[in-house]
Amino acid sequence: EAGVAQSPRYKIIEKRQSVAFWCNPISGHATLYWYQQILGQGPKLLIQFQNNGVVDDSQLPKDRFSAERLKGVDSTLKIQPAKLEDSAVYLCASSPLGPTGYGYTFGSGTRLTVV
Amino acid sequence: GESVGLHLPTLSVQEGDNSIINCAYSNSASDYFIWYKQESGKGPQFIIDIRSNMDKRQGQRVTVLLNKTVKHLSLQIAATQPGDSAVYFCAEIPGGSYIPTFGRGTSLIVHP
Repeated sequence: EAGVAQSPRYKIIEKRQSVAFWCNPISGHATLYWYQQILGQGPKLLIQFQNNGVVDDSQLPKDRFSAERLKGVDSTLKIQPAKLEDSAVYLCASSPLGPTGYGYTFGSGTRLTVV
Repeated sequence: GESVGLHLPTLSVQEGDNSIINCAYSNSASDYFIWYKQESGKGPQFIIDIRSNMDKRQGQRVTVLLNKTVKHLSLQIAATQPGDSAVYFCAEIPGGSYIPTFGRGTSLIVHP
């Protein structure tokens, strides 16, 4: 079974620039999550999708972050404009729907450096 | 001991020793707990889980202990190997939710 694919692996941008990350979840997984992991901390949930609908985006800084999952499969996370404190690893995870939703699988993440 | 800021708590052991990684969780309503292993440059990887109606669960070389009275989890790794070197996170999931909330993490360093 292929894992959760993310790209790019690394990105360096200047503050106030824009950046986008892409995630392709495991085939058949209805639920997709974006996490932000700041160095030395555990991942923090930004947004959860179920199919192509948003379930929880309460932790997403909506003034600069946006995410979409148009066809219920791939997802993109965008930051515009970026700030220095956005430097982190952005992890995508997917899980099946329902009680087996505990079966989280994470991608390897995109490491963002804002300079 | 525990540090602040960017410094993760660190556990250094010799290859072949047993390792114990501890975690305090915060939500008494959490009824499901997971330990994850995160190697450098990779996402967290599931190791073992435990439900709140259990106090111990064993896997291959790993055991998770749950003490609900003091809201404490531990992960025991038997015969630790260099490949076990990673950051270990505990995560708690409240009843009715599927979303893990991650703890701070402990860096395990295994010396050959």
